[in-house]
Amino acid sequence: GESVGLHLPTLSVQEGDNSIINCAYSNSASDYFIWYKQESGKGPQFIIDIRSNMDKRQGQRVTVLLNKTVKHLSLQIAATQPGDSAVYFCAENSGGSNYKLTFGKGTLLTVNP
Amino acid sequence: EAQVTQNPRYLITVTGKKLTVTCSQNMNHEYMSWYRQDPGLGLRQIYYSMNVEVTDKGDVPEGYKVSRKEKRNFPLILESPSPNQTSLYFCASRRTGGSNQPQHFGDGTRLSIL
Repeated sequence: GESVGLHLPTLSVQEGDNSIINCAYSNSASDYFIWYKQESGKGPQFIIDIRSNMDKRQGQRVTVLLNKTVKHLSLQIAATQPGDSAVYFCAENSGGSNYKLTFGKGTLLTVNP
Repeated sequence: EAQVTQNPRYLITVTGKKLTVTCSQNMNHEYMSWYRQDPGLGLRQIYYSMNVEVTDKGDVPEGYKVSRKEKRNFPLILESPSPNQTSLYFCASRRTGGSNQPQHFGDGTRLSIL
């Protein structure tokens, strides 16, 4: 079936380094993608999104890249800080009328001081 | 502050004892949804609602009920809870009118069914 997955379940980086979290998706009909951050004891928090007619979008310290040719999504975090430590999920909206999001399994990012 | 509020945050109960988890949003969103999060399985949709009095099943609706009598509230009902419903539950909401809107999540309700 259609699914959204992640290449790396865990990622450990040094404070100040850049982080890259990857995500593969399989539904070519998906037209909207979102990255969420989930800290311990909290719900998923919206970070950044991108529509399928774009290949790059930048926010504050974060950039999302979309490669539709290989169905790949990535989240880049610049100058990673200890407060960035969390689980990061990608999610896709397949374009259906119910707005359902299909989530990846998540990547745990640990930032070492 | 724009938010999705769930109650209770934690609950330990026994098999068969009916329970309700409430969800309320203050953003005037038409769309609301419930998810459960389990290790290794990620977030899976239970039920969703496109607007008042309009609800439909998600991917894992068995054992759950919902209602949407008011725009701001979307309670999740477990009529006869079982241990396999032990999980972390999230309510979410978003505006409608296009697929390009993120869902906003509450902080979760951890249910333990003994």
